Amino acid sequence: QVQLQESGPGLVKPSETLSLTCTVSGGSISSYYWSWIRQPAGKGLEWIGRIYTSGSTNYNPSLKSRVTMSVDTSKNQFSLKLSSVTAADTAVYYCARGIAVAGSSFDPWGQGTLVTVSS
Amino acid sequence: QSALTQPASVSGSPGQSITISCTGTSSDVGGYNYVSWYQQHPGKAPKLMIYEVSNRPSGVPDRFSGSKSGNTASLTISGLQAEDEADYYCSSYTSSSTVVFGGGTKLTVL
Repeated sequence: QVQLQESGPGLVKPSETLSLTCTVSGGSISSYYWSWIRQPAGKGLEWIGRIYTSGSTNYNPSLKSRVTMSVDTSKNQFSLKLSSVTAADTAVYYCARGIAVAGSSFDPWGQGTLVTVSS
Repeated sequence: QSALTQPASVSGSPGQSITISCTGTSSDVGGYNYVSWYQQHPGKAPKLMIYEVSNRPSGVPDRFSGSKSGNTASLTISGLQAEDEADYYCSSYTSSSTVVFGGGTKLTVL
């Protein structure tokens, strides 16, 4: 079955760029939407954005100016870059596959990776 | 985009039924049958329980059911069990081709 694994630095300095990669195993990355979702400690889920394997993207309007997503089908990976981070970007970041119509549901999810923004 | 509105908490006794509501607008919940529900236990990744308003993925007990009326979607859990105690989140596709989540509901099994 498909499994997702997030990877990247756990600590990022304020004003720098957060970079994460999600590796997909057990299946092909092709022909699906792939999303990033985050969750600050003790708070709810926030959808960051998604990328289709063609490279087409949709981003959360509140983050759009700082977000870039990319996909590497040869490596079965997709990535997130979030620029100009502040402490408010500290959260557990999840990657997930979009299923159902318009990739509107997420299954499966990665285990999540904690990213802390601090100097 | 504004978060969908969920009650902060609900509770019920084992064997009972509970319903969690999720209210949006005509641009999200009311405009599309693309509402999903997720269960999240502490320290774990969310798990998809319902998609496209009322469909259950393989392996999800039929005690979990979903519905929608107008701009409000609902998740009903019947025959409540101790392991159902968790946080529940709804989400919806939007007219901007984005996805928005609800604020989450903490379910306590008394």
